[in-house]
Amino acid sequence: DTEVTQTPKHLVMGMTNKKSLKCEQHMGHRAMYWYKQKAKKPPELMFVYSYEKLSINESVPSRFSPECPNSSLLNLHLHALQPEDSALYLCASSQGTGQINSPLHFGNGTRLTVT
Amino acid sequence: AQKVTQAQTEISVVEKEDVTLDCVYETRDTTYYLFWYKQPPSGELVFLIRRNSFDEQNEISGRYSWNFQKSTSSFNFTITASQVVDSAVYFCALSEAEGFQKLVFGTGTRLLVSP
Repeated sequence: DTEVTQTPKHLVMGMTNKKSLKCEQHMGHRAMYWYKQKAKKPPELMFVYSYEKLSINESVPSRFSPECPNSSLLNLHLHALQPEDSALYLCASSQGTGQINSPLHFGNGTRLTVT
Repeated sequence: AQKVTQAQTEISVVEKEDVTLDCVYETRDTTYYLFWYKQPPSGELVFLIRRNSFDEQNEISGRYSWNFQKSTSSFNFTITASQVVDSAVYFCALSEAEGFQKLVFGTGTRLLVSP
C-alpha cells in the first residue's frame, strides 16, 4: 500500500462544479507535489509546496487552486474546469526540497472526468 | 533544457525472458539525478532507483539491474527472468541539481509480460 493517500479515487464533475482533491501523508515529509497525467502520457508537474509554502507553480490555470493546510495535507481545489482537464491527478511527497537524495513517493491518484 | 527519451513505446515478452528498457537523457548540468519509476495499472508511481551523475556504478537489486553510462547519456534498466507482475509502464526521469524537485519524465515504456 502506498503511504500517500489520495481521495477520492474517482471524480466526475461538471464544468460549473466546485470540487476538491485531497492528499495526505504521514511520513514526515516536508515537500508535497501535484502532478497531472493525461492518458498514455508522462506525469507533468503542476505545483510544489515546500514547508507548507508554494514553491513552484508551473503556469497552471487559476481554475486549479492548491492549498497546503499543514505539512501532512495537500488539497487541490477545482472550479470551472474544462473537459480537457480530465486526467489522473497524482500527489507526491518527499523529505524536503533541500534534500537532494530524496525520491518522490506517489499516491494512487484521483482519476478526474470533467463532463 | 533537459529531456528524457524512451524510444520504446511498448515491449512484449514472455515470462522468464530478460528485457532491457532504454533511457537516453539530455542536460546541460554536470550534477543531475536519474530515476526509474514503475506505474502499474493501479496508477501509483513506484520509485525503483535513483542515481546521481557522479556515480556510474551499475546497480543490481534482485532481478533488476541498471546500467548508467555518461559517455552515451544513457541509463538503461534490465529485468532478468521477467514475471507477469512486471507488467507496467516504466518511466525514466531526470532532475537537475538546482531544480531537484522538478522531475522531467520520459514518455514511458509499456512492458507486457505474458505467461
